[in-house]
Amino acid sequence: QQPVQSPQAVILREGEDAVINCSSSKALYSVHWYRQKHGEAPVFLMILLKGGEQKGHEKISASFNEKKQQSSLYLTASQLSYSGTYFCGTEHGGSQGNLIFGKGTKLSVKP
Amino acid sequence: DTEVTQTPKHLVMGMTNKKSLKCEQHMGHRAMYWYKQKAKKPPELMFVYSYEKLSINESVPSRFSPECPNSSLLNLHLHALQPEDSALYLCASSWALANYGYTFGSGTRLTVV
Repeated sequence: QQPVQSPQAVILREGEDAVINCSSSKALYSVHWYRQKHGEAPVFLMILLKGGEQKGHEKISASFNEKKQQSSLYLTASQLSYSGTYFCGTEHGGSQGNLIFGKGTKLSVKP
Repeated sequence: DTEVTQTPKHLVMGMTNKKSLKCEQHMGHRAMYWYKQKAKKPPELMFVYSYEKLSINESVPSRFSPECPNSSLLNLHLHALQPEDSALYLCASSWALANYGYTFGSGTRLTVV
């Protein structure tokens, strides 16, 4: 079942912060986050496993709320290089390896 | 080596042709995946291999036939495709089916004429 991402698009100035949300109507086993730039392959950012863990990667971090079946990706002090489309991917218990991506959030960072 | 290599990068084929896409990784990953991506859409899962065995087939038409000859190599055989099959085909790999992020190849851009 495809997760729901919001917002669909966001425009930032360099240095601003953004939050991207990902939610599922079904119990989650894990949430993956990827960034894809135009014409390139998706690049893995982080994975959050069942357990409410928060992870960080440079100025990008994410949380996983197991009870609400939601994850949020936090981008702080955005840089031009953060531009791209962000996809969350979700796996459900008993379906490991069946990673289904949300429709994506297009992030544009302007100087 | 931290890459997934896909060949060819571009492929144009007729509806009666038979062709193959190739994917290779030397990271020791034991799970490999095929995804299809249309423009401005998310990647859609097609097939999953775990320890060289087909683990998931997402109801993909039989004109797509996957093969995993060894732990480093994944092929996608194409036959009698339709124009709507034109897309970017992405291969990915991970250490195992669960708990690990995926490394994606740069894809094969397929056009069916």
